[in-house]
Amino acid sequence: GAVVSQHPSWVICKSGTSVKIECRSLDFQATTMFWYRQFPKQSLMLMATSNEGSKATYEQGVEKDKFLINHASLTLSTLTVTSAHPEDSSFYICSAGARGQGNSPLHFGNGTRLTVT
Amino acid sequence: KNEVEQSPQNLTAQEGEFITINCSYSVGISALHWLQQHPGGGIVSLFMLSSGKKKHGRLIATINIQEKHSSLHITASHPRDSAVYICAVRVTGNQFYFGTGTSLTVIP
Repeated sequence: GAVVSQHPSWVICKSGTSVKIECRSLDFQATTMFWYRQFPKQSLMLMATSNEGSKATYEQGVEKDKFLINHASLTLSTLTVTSAHPEDSSFYICSAGARGQGNSPLHFGNGTRLTVT
Repeated sequence: KNEVEQSPQNLTAQEGEFITINCSYSVGISALHWLQQHPGGGIVSLFMLSSGKKKHGRLIATINIQEKHSSLHITASHPRDSAVYICAVRVTGNQFYFGTGTSLTVIP
């Protein structure tokens, strides 16, 4: 089945630093990738949608200058949390949709737990 | 009001019991997804539905488009089924709404 690899699985960083999270589709071409944030005991919150080769579309309330998304190839999207603050501590997860499947299943990465100290 | 409502929020069952989780939505959709999230956080897509019924092993998902309602059933539940089950609907090509999840605990 389709595999999405997300790295790192957890990261601890100091306030003010930037953190990059990678999401790779290992065995399929992902034309669309979704980035989510999840707070404890809450459901997924979609942050942004990225299409390969174009700018990401951010959900209302998500700062695009703080959460930089790059989707430069059909197999890799990155989320960079810039100038991280403790309130950015959360679980971040990506999912990918396959090329040529307009209504494709969602394939999720295993998530990244970010802790900002 | 949330576009997607799930019930129950929490569910505890004895091993072997038949389990039903419900999802109601208030928007027009192109597809509905049932997702399973284990305690470590990883999410697995269980089903994608646009009509009717799908079965995979002990899991059955149904959807009634007219009533805007879907159910996820687990037959002969097992402790390894313990997880959070999330209902998600796709309303346009890339727009999704997520339910708040149902936390299932199956006791041996």
